[in-house]
Amino acid sequence: NAGVTQTPKFQVLKTGQSMTLQCAQDMNHNSMYWYRQDPGMGLRLIYYSASEGTTDKGEVPNGYNVSRLNKREFSLRLESAAPSQTSVYFCASSEQTTSLKTQYFGPGTRLLVL
Amino acid sequence: AQTVTQSQPEMSVQEAETVTLSCTYDTSESDYYLFWYKQPPSRQMILVIRQEAYKQQNATENRFSVNFQKAAKSFSLKISDSQLGDAAMYFCAYRSPGRSQGNLIFGKGTKLSVKP
Repeated sequence: NAGVTQTPKFQVLKTGQSMTLQCAQDMNHNSMYWYRQDPGMGLRLIYYSASEGTTDKGEVPNGYNVSRLNKREFSLRLESAAPSQTSVYFCASSEQTTSLKTQYFGPGTRLLVL
Repeated sequence: AQTVTQSQPEMSVQEAETVTLSCTYDTSESDYYLFWYKQPPSRQMILVIRQEAYKQQNATENRFSVNFQKAAKSFSLKISDSQLGDAAMYFCAYRSPGRSQGNLIFGKGTKLSVKP
């Protein structure tokens, strides 16, 4: 039982390049989330998926797209990377959105955009 | 909109001593959930403890306990018998049960150092 896994762990991009961050969970959770963490700030929600087949914007969605490929996988895509997107990205999952159910986090992806 | 404030950017504690990390939040909701997450240098976010607002009893998990003051909108974390492995960033987080997003609203964190 690996929990939440993310790939890659670290990536360097040039401005304008695109890339996809991958996330998978093996806990049969319905809900999945993408957060970003910037220095001196807590995590902020980019996009979330309450259940398979649905996705919605969070607090800071601009510049990102997501795909809920199936119940296990939730990817985050940067179509044209900008230096402002340099951050650490965390994927999380929970049984559902509207409950006390714990959100479990992946180990994070550190992204540097030059 | 709900906000979470952690007023202590950094804290330090001697090994085996007790330390309290502060967290206040702003909300107009009567029912909600509160969490403390630990983020060690590995960056993994680890749930430490959680509290349901309608429960008056303070949550406890081994050496970790909270002081939940609903009227004051305060949710502090007490770490007893501090250990070197407790050194990490600690984030307080808020979650609304009725909110479709279900996301956590985080404070900016408190960096805890443990001195041997």
